[in-house]
Formats: sequence, structure tokens, C-alpha cells
Amino acid sequence: QTVVTQEPSFSVSPGGTVTLTCGLSSGPVSTNSYPSWFQQTPGQAPRTLIYSTNTRSSGVPDRFSGSIVGNKAALTITGAQADDESDYYCVLYMGSGIWLFGGGTKLSVL
Amino acid sequence: QVQLVQSGAEVKNPGSSVKVSCKASGGTFSTNAISWVRQAPGQGLEWMGGITGMFGTTNYAQKFQGRLTITADGFPSTVYMELSSLRSEDSAVYYCARSLGYSYVPSPNYHDYYMDAWGTGTTVTVSS
Repeated sequence: QTVVTQEPSFSVSPGGTVTLTCGLSSGPVSTNSYPSWFQQTPGQAPRTLIYSTNTRSSGVPDRFSGSIVGNKAALTITGAQADDESDYYCVLYMGSGIWLFGGGTKLSVL
Repeated sequence: QVQLVQSGAEVKNPGSSVKVSCKASGGTFSTNAISWVRQAPGQGLEWMGGITGMFGTTNYAQKFQGRLTITADGFPSTVYMELSSLRSEDSAVYYCARSLGYSYVPSPNYHDYYMDAWGTGTTVTVSS
């Protein structure tokens, strides 16, 4: 059974840079997986940050960027702010109209 | 600005079914694809399935095959998610998410697949 892997937790200092990753148990992640990234705070619906690996959704600040790093999709936050403290999820396209979310990364800004 | 308004919280007995609606407020999404994503308490997001705009093609995650049915009424635009044979593990917040375009299936020439708007969420509790 294919699993999308993310770091369970990560921390970054205010103003710092952090890169969260999104891997695939069955092999490398490529642009053909069309990785998307979402931000979610407790009790709120997710917010779409990035799609198609590196395209920012409307209104998303440019300190959020997406890429492929090695065999994984990556979300980089540059100049982290206190309100970036959230859960971050990636989702990958599996083919045949099916998407698979990762388990999420809880980001602390401290 | 289209908003996605979902039906209210539900409490269901194990073995029963639940039907959650997702309606566009301030517009329609008769040509937009809709995905359903759930989140169990303290857990991550889980893509369940979706329905494309225009042709109403559906896809379901293997985990939900045989239990999940997604349908749509074209006008007014409402999409429904029905999950049957409920068990306690189905207790979750259920979200609808709209794709910018008619399909959530990506391709090199089609990038409007992504989920650009999310519903208000519906809490489903399965308990005897």
C-alpha cells in the first residue's frame, strides 16, 4: 500500500527558513505527481498554498515556494512568521483520478 | 466570490448512512469538479473521492469503494457525498473542495485541477 510521507513535526525560528518534504513509499516524487501543499490551523478548513509543484495559489505570499528536492516534493517557507505555525499537508496524484494526502507536518515557530 | 456551504452536523448510528451536501453560495459550480476530503479527530486529511463538472464522472479512493457515492444536482448547484455502513472510524469532519476547473485530474496542459476553495466542513459523529 502506497504511503505519502511527511515529517511529523518541524520547528523554525522566527525569520528563519524551513523546508518540509513530501515523499512516496513506492518511489520518487516528480512533477508528474502534481504535488500540492495546504496549510491548516486548528478548527479551520485547509488553505491551498501551492499546486503543480511550484505554483502559488491566489493570494499566497511569495515566501512560500514549492520544488522537487531529490526524490521528494518540498515546501520552503522563507522568513517564517508566527502565524505560519500550522499543520502543512501535501497531496500527490496517484493516477486514475485518485489523490493521496500525506500525514501532515506540524510546524512550530519558536 | 463563490463560497461552499455544507449541511449541518450529523449524529449517526453504526451501520447507517449519512448524506452531506455542498452548495455554492454566490454563484454556481455546475462546471467545477468537487472533491471530498475528511479529517478524523486529531488526524490528517484524507481524499475520499470526487465528481467532475460537465460529465459528472466520479472517482473513489479504493478504501471507500462500495460505500461512497458522490452525486450532483446541476441547478441549483449542489454536490452530495453519501457514505454507507458507517462505523465509529468514520467520525470526522467532512470537507468539500472545489477545483478551479471542470476536473481534478491533472495533465501537462491542464492545471485548473487544483482545489482552490474549501467548504465549511460537516462534523459526522458515528456512535451508538
